[in-house]
Amino acid sequence: QSVLTQPPSASGTPGQRVTISCSGSSSNVGHNTVNWYQQLPGTAPKLLIYGDNQRPSGVPDRFSGSKSGTSASLAVSGLQSEDEAVYHCAAWDGSLNGPVFGGGTKLTVL
Amino acid sequence: QLQLQESGPGLVKPSETLSLTCAASGGSTSSSSLFWGWIRQPPGKGLEWIAIINYRGSPYYNPSLKSRVTASVDTSKNQVSLKVTSVTAADTAVYYCAREWSPPGGRAFDIWGQGTLVTVSS
Repeated sequence: QSVLTQPPSASGTPGQRVTISCSGSSSNVGHNTVNWYQQLPGTAPKLLIYGDNQRPSGVPDRFSGSKSGTSASLAVSGLQSEDEAVYHCAAWDGSLNGPVFGGGTKLTVL
Repeated sequence: QLQLQESGPGLVKPSETLSLTCAASGGSTSSSSLFWGWIRQPPGKGLEWIAIINYRGSPYYNPSLKSRVTASVDTSKNQVSLKVTSVTAADTAVYYCAREWSPPGGRAFDIWGQGTLVTVSS
C-alpha cells in the first residue's frame, strides 16, 4: 500500500492532453515539494518534474506539474506514443523522515 | 557525467543476508552536499524507499525496514552499499541506487542506476 495515491491507469490518443493525479497528506504533499518520475518499460525511473513544477534540462515542455494543498497533478500535452510509460509521484514525508512514493500510473497512448 | 551501477547476487535464500553495492563513475561519493539513496520495486508494483545516506552523516532508513537494513558509503572504492538481513520472499524486487539532489526548496533523485533484480527463494 503506497503512501501517495495515484490512479493505476490513464490513457489518451496522440495529440491529446492527459492529467495524472497524486493525493497525499499534510505530512508529505501538503508541506513538501512533489517530484514526478517517468519509467519507460524495462528501464529505471527518470526524473521528470521536481519542486512541484520544474523540469530538468532536456525534459520537453509538454510535461508540466502543479500542486494544490495535499494533491498534485502531472499534465502531458500533445501526447506522443513515446510517452507510454509508468509515472510515479513522490514527496518527502516529515513523519517518516524520508521520501514516499505513489503506486504509479500506467499511461497508455491509444 | 555521473553513472551508477548496482551489483548483487541475483538469488538469495530466505533468512539470509542480501548484500548490494552501487559503483559510482564520473563523480565522487565523498561530496558532502550529496546524498545517496536505495529504492526498490517489487515486480509489478510501485517504488519503495529503503535508505538515504551521506558519507559524513547518519543514514535515514525507512521505519518499516530499519531493523534489517544497513547502508554505508565507501569513499575509497567510490561506492555505496546496502545490506538487508533475514530476507523473505517479500524482499524480492529490483533494487536501485540513486543520487539525491537538493534543488532550491526540495530534494529529488536525479540520477539512477539501471537496477538489479534480487529474488528471494530457496
